[in-house]
Amino acid sequence: DAGVIQSPRHEVTEMGQEVTLRCKPISGHNSLFWYRQTMMRGLELLIYFNNNVPIDDSGMPEDRFSAKMPNASFSTLKIQPSEPRDSAVYFCASSLSLAAGNEQYFGPGTRLTVT
Amino acid sequence: GENVEQHPSTLSVQEGDSAVIKCTYSDSASNYFPWYKQELGKGPQLIIDIRSNVGEKKDQRIAVTLNKTAKHFSLHITETQPEDSAVYFCAASLDKIIFGKGTRLHILP
Repeated sequence: DAGVIQSPRHEVTEMGQEVTLRCKPISGHNSLFWYRQTMMRGLELLIYFNNNVPIDDSGMPEDRFSAKMPNASFSTLKIQPSEPRDSAVYFCASSLSLAAGNEQYFGPGTRLTVT
Repeated sequence: GENVEQHPSTLSVQEGDSAVIKCTYSDSASNYFPWYKQELGKGPQLIIDIRSNVGEKKDQRIAVTLNKTAKHFSLHITETQPEDSAVYFCAASLDKIIFGKGTRLHILP
């Protein structure tokens, strides 16, 4: 398996623009997680899905952030409009299920820079 | 909700010596404690984990200990090697995983 796939790997955009980050989880995994990593805040859980259904979006910082999972093999994280403070590395991870003890497999991340 | 504190934030160790990273958690209901290693430019990767019904677990040069009463858990790396240089994250989980802020480990030649 190719692991969790994220695209793009790098994104540079201007403030106010819409940004869409994409994730393909490992085939057969039922749970998907979006994280944001910054030096100041570390690794923050933004939202997670189980069987394509959003379970907990309490980590989403603002209404400018939204996430969807239209099917088991694809998820998007959208920021509209983007701001410089959104600059971070965004990771997608997947696991077999939400049960404790299931390893989360992380993708390589998308480095977002908003100027 | 769960809160995970991790110390130190940076650790420099001479090659061959041991490294210890310590974490505390707040929710006594948490029952799964994974440790992740993140190398430069990559996503975190699970290296070892421990469940709440176990006090210690070892895998070659790495070991984890858990003290449920004190809500402490630690990562021990023995005979450190250059490839151990990375950022290490502890985490605690009941349903979702909550990560500590990370420890940047430098192995000095």
